[in-house]
Amino acid sequence: EAGVAQSPRYKIIEKRQSVAFWCNPISGHATLYWYQQILGQGPKLLIQFQNNGVVDDSQLPKDRFSAERLKGVDSTLKIQPAKLEDSAVYLCASYSGGAGAATSEQFFGPGTRLTVL
Amino acid sequence: GDSVTQMEGPVTLSEEAFLTINCTYTATGYPSLFWYVQYPGEGLQLLLKATKADDKGSNKGFEATYRKETTSFHLEKGSVQVSDSAVYFCALTSANFGNEKLTFGTGTRLTIIP
Repeated sequence: EAGVAQSPRYKIIEKRQSVAFWCNPISGHATLYWYQQILGQGPKLLIQFQNNGVVDDSQLPKDRFSAERLKGVDSTLKIQPAKLEDSAVYLCASYSGGAGAATSEQFFGPGTRLTVL
Repeated sequence: GDSVTQMEGPVTLSEEAFLTINCTYTATGYPSLFWYVQYPGEGLQLLLKATKADDKGSNKGFEATYRKETTSFHLEKGSVQVSDSAVYFCALTSANFGNEKLTFGTGTRLTIIP
């Protein structure tokens, strides 16, 4: 099966500009996550969707970050305006399991590397 | 809150050496524990997992045992290969089926020298 797709793979912007990232999860996966991975650190959850509803956005800096998953499939993450400290890899993941599932695994996309100058 | 403390790297070993990467955790309830691997230029991949105390996860020659009494999930491999060079992340979720968010350690970069 096709994996989690993300675009763009790389983005360089000036501070105070806006940027958007796109994610297409594995077909049929209802749960979608966005993680931020700063260099030298582990990924940190920004937001979790179940279908098109938000399950957890407690770590999302809502003054500048927004995310949507309008039709319960693709998702976009936006930063406006960007700050220097937003330089990171943004990872999208989708979840294969569910209650009673024999397996459970989050599948990760390749990520988008953002550099804010 | 939940947290994962991971052995700091980088770790450099010769081929066929024994590998241990330490991982300890703090969590409420009964977390599931994971090791993820990130090969150069690739995304995160699940390496192995354990969902309850004393479970042993294994894959590709790697093993880790869920130790509730020491809150640890150390990664081991008896004989490493150059192809094992990657960054390894220990992680946990607070729900058995992994639908909750993953909390990651900081990662350990492993380099294997021929």
